[in-house]
Amino acid sequence: GIQVEQSPPDLILQEGANSTLRCNFSDSVNNLQWFHQNPWGQLINLFYIPSGTKQNGRLSATTVATERYSLLYISSSQTTDSGVYFCADSGGSNYKLTFGKGTLLTVNP
Amino acid sequence: DSGVTQTPKHLITATGQRVTLRCSPRSGDLSVYWYQQSLDQGLQFLIQYYNGEERAKGNILERFSAQQFPDLHSELNLSSLELGDSALYFCASSLDRLGRDTQYFGPGTRLTVL
Repeated sequence: GIQVEQSPPDLILQEGANSTLRCNFSDSVNNLQWFHQNPWGQLINLFYIPSGTKQNGRLSATTVATERYSLLYISSSQTTDSGVYFCADSGGSNYKLTFGKGTLLTVNP
Repeated sequence: DSGVTQTPKHLITATGQRVTLRCSPRSGDLSVYWYQQSLDQGLQFLIQYYNGEERAKGNILERFSAQQFPDLHSELNLSSLELGDSALYFCASSLDRLGRDTQYFGPGTRLTVL
């Protein structure tokens, strides 16, 4: 199945800073999603973005399907942005989402 | 709120026991997925149902089983529980049978096996 590699594994920011998280995929991207897992464990959908660019407030995401990677941009970070960010995709022919190991983001006040 | 509901939120049980986790998908969604999140394995797909029928299987143990009922809610049954089954179990739903659509995740059930 598809392999998903996320970087960096950990990131510590001061409030107000910007950051870029990256996902690389071993197979064609078909069903790419970004999630935020908050400290209470809830998985929150951020973007469904198999290709192109989307923006939602301070967050934006870009997927370059031909090069099998996706980027998540967080601008003007806030302490509430802390948590683990996951990307996931279903690869070429599967229904299941395969998740990366996540990026643990800590935003300090 | 994703619209996917899961019960119970927390479950504490002993080794060897059997538990049932319940999931109600978003209104109109026909596909239900179950995922397990553990510290050592990360987030892993277990099984998918579409409109009552099993459609895909992942790393699901033989001690685990699931089903989707006519009203589209789903149950995940875990039996002969072991310490290693302690994890966060998520249910997700989507509209598209082939999974080429956003999967919305429920709040999860945290299972602790003592």
